[in-house]
Amino acid sequence: EVQVVESGGGLVKPGGSLRLSCAASGFTFSSYTMNWVRQTPGKGLEWVSSLSSSTNYIYYADSVKGRFTISRDNANNSLYLQMNSLRVEDTAVYYCARVRGGLRPPFDLWGQGILVTVSS
Amino acid sequence: DIQMTQSPSTLSASVGDRVTITCRASQSISDWLAWYQQRPGKAPKLLIYKASILESGVPSRFSGSGSGTEFTLAISGLQPDDFATYYCQQYNSYATFGQGTKVEIK
Repeated sequence: EVQVVESGGGLVKPGGSLRLSCAASGFTFSSYTMNWVRQTPGKGLEWVSSLSSSTNYIYYADSVKGRFTISRDNANNSLYLQMNSLRVEDTAVYYCARVRGGLRPPFDLWGQGILVTVSS
Repeated sequence: DIQMTQSPSTLSASVGDRVTITCRASQSISDWLAWYQQRPGKAPKLLIYKASILESGVPSRFSGSGSGTEFTLAISGLQPDDFATYYCQQYNSYATFGQGTKVEIK
């Protein structure tokens, strides 16, 4: 089955760190650009970061630049998001999402999402 | 940054109705626009990309149109499974989503 599954979410205090993982299966992970997208009730869907298949192209939303780092391990079909200096406003459901083809959206495969709560 | 504005925010309709949702971009995005459907507690699902191309497996009652700054998603013959929230997404300048349109049962 073609799928991506997120893990690593949870409760963290402001200023803390968390690392999200996304395990891919059923497709050639190393051929696809992968992304993180988050969703909050208040702000809706927000694209967070993108990483190309060969890691040559990396993009971040301004809201996370300098604090979050996206990476991947093609040998283990995994995508990661290292989140540092977390803020209350980073509280969201985080989705791992695959780009349909090439470098830019749309996103044709999404995980089930993982909740990250930043609170004291 | 490119802002995406959807209207209406909520739409009440009945099974069998034809409904349309509008998405406006703050600047021209050519046809770099996608539509997603999201059911409660689930991830978004890609319906349409490049403004009007139906994703594989998506029913033909869904259609998309537009270019530049104004786009439309139409659903002809609303089915029970279609009551959900719909989002547009521009990808002319990486990615920005609209705020969503909830299609609810009248």
